[in-house]
Amino acid sequence: DVKVTQSSRYLVKRTGEKVFLECVQDMDHENMFWYRQDPGLGLRLIYFSYDVKMKEKGDIPEGYSVSREKKERFSLILESASTNQTSMYLCASSLKEFGGASRTEAFFGQGTRLTVV
Amino acid sequence: AQTVTQSQPEMSVQEAETVTLSCTYDTSESDYYLFWYKQPPSRQMILVIRQEAYKQQNATENRFSVNFQKAAKSFSLKISDSQLGDAAMYFCAYRSANYGGATNKLIFGTGTLLAVQP
Repeated sequence: DVKVTQSSRYLVKRTGEKVFLECVQDMDHENMFWYRQDPGLGLRLIYFSYDVKMKEKGDIPEGYSVSREKKERFSLILESASTNQTSMYLCASSLKEFGGASRTEAFFGQGTRLTVV
Repeated sequence: AQTVTQSQPEMSVQEAETVTLSCTYDTSESDYYLFWYKQPPSRQMILVIRQEAYKQQNATENRFSVNFQKAAKSFSLKISDSQLGDAAMYFCAYRSANYGGATNKLIFGTGTLLAVQP
């Protein structure tokens, strides 16, 4: 069974702290993504990576950075957490090639609800 | 840039009835994929159904079917014989069929919260 695992379901951090959100997938996927989910705004892409050490900014990268040192792991870093980063964070992965419709699906982790106080 | 719009923030349906969720999108590409994802209270996003833009036939998965109108850039989801377990947030999403890099990302709508009344 395919799996994307996020390290925490709930996290509470203080303003100014450096925060690490970890995501691991076991499907040998090239692509990995970090989304932020807020009510009324849907899912917005923060960063994504299409290979080890490769990354590209998404729609809302400000205040975030990422790291992908191994293919299976993609980390989201909040350099100095702020209250406006309180949100649900979703990690996803997908295959890079298009070998048919069955290979285009993205798989998601269970989400991390981060509260910054 | 591509955009996805879901104009119904909330919908409600009676158990065993049929409901249709709307989605429109904007793109200049001719080849792409469209998806409906379900997010129940457990927060785990689950793929409900996918549609390849080059296929004219509407996708169907058991009680779930889509009405794909490429010219109108419309992609609605029909849920037949609604069940209590269908209650969830539903997201429409777009992905380019072009190879590589930034085109691999999923672009999501804002979601429709579906309530199922017993």
